[in-house]
Amino acid sequence: QVQLQQWGAGLLEPSGTLSLTCAVDGGSFSRYYWTWIRQPPGKGLEWIGEMNQSGNTNYNPSLKSRVSISIDTSQSQFSLKLNAVTAADTAVYYCARASGWDHYFALDVWGQGTTVTVSS
Amino acid sequence: DIQLTQSPSSLSASVGDRVTITCRASQSISIYLNWYQRKLGRPPKLLIYAASSLQSGVPSNFSGSGSGTDFTLTIDSLQPEDFATYFCQQSYSRPYTFGQGTMLEIK
Repeated sequence: QVQLQQWGAGLLEPSGTLSLTCAVDGGSFSRYYWTWIRQPPGKGLEWIGEMNQSGNTNYNPSLKSRVSISIDTSQSQFSLKLNAVTAADTAVYYCARASGWDHYFALDVWGQGTTVTVSS
Repeated sequence: DIQLTQSPSSLSASVGDRVTITCRASQSISIYLNWYQRKLGRPPKLLIYAASSLQSGVPSNFSGSGSGTDFTLTIDSLQPEDFATYFCQQSYSRPYTFGQGTMLEIK
């Protein structure tokens, strides 16, 4: 059974860079989109972006200028970097696996979530 | 971006009840709609994909229906472990978007 284990810094100063990593344990890296989602306090879930093993990436336009997702297939890990963070980036961040094809994608495996707080 | 509006935002019900949660999309999304369950302190769990397909391992008292702009999640014979927050998500177009969630509480 595939599990996602994520980690990264939980407290950042404004203008800093958020960096999170998610390890894929127990499954293939191919055929999926590896995804990041976040949920700010008191708000709904927001899709940040995704990447597949071929290097195809899709980002939320609202974050595109600041976000980068990368994959390290040798380590079975994928990572999120978000630049120039502000208090508005305070959220629980989740990594997830998107399974499917065409438009039939669903997030069928999730990491445990990492709380990131941006504060001076 | 496609907006998803769930109703109700919260719901009280009793064990054994049947409940229905609605998700409405701001434009037609065919059947590209997924439903998730989330319990406090846990990551979301996929329940239904492609509007009506039950994810492996999910109890059969969960069902989904709908197409176009209107979708429903139905939970038959509520069990104590079903009290959680439910939300929908569209995969018709990126950026994927989520409903705001429906909190299902014990009456």
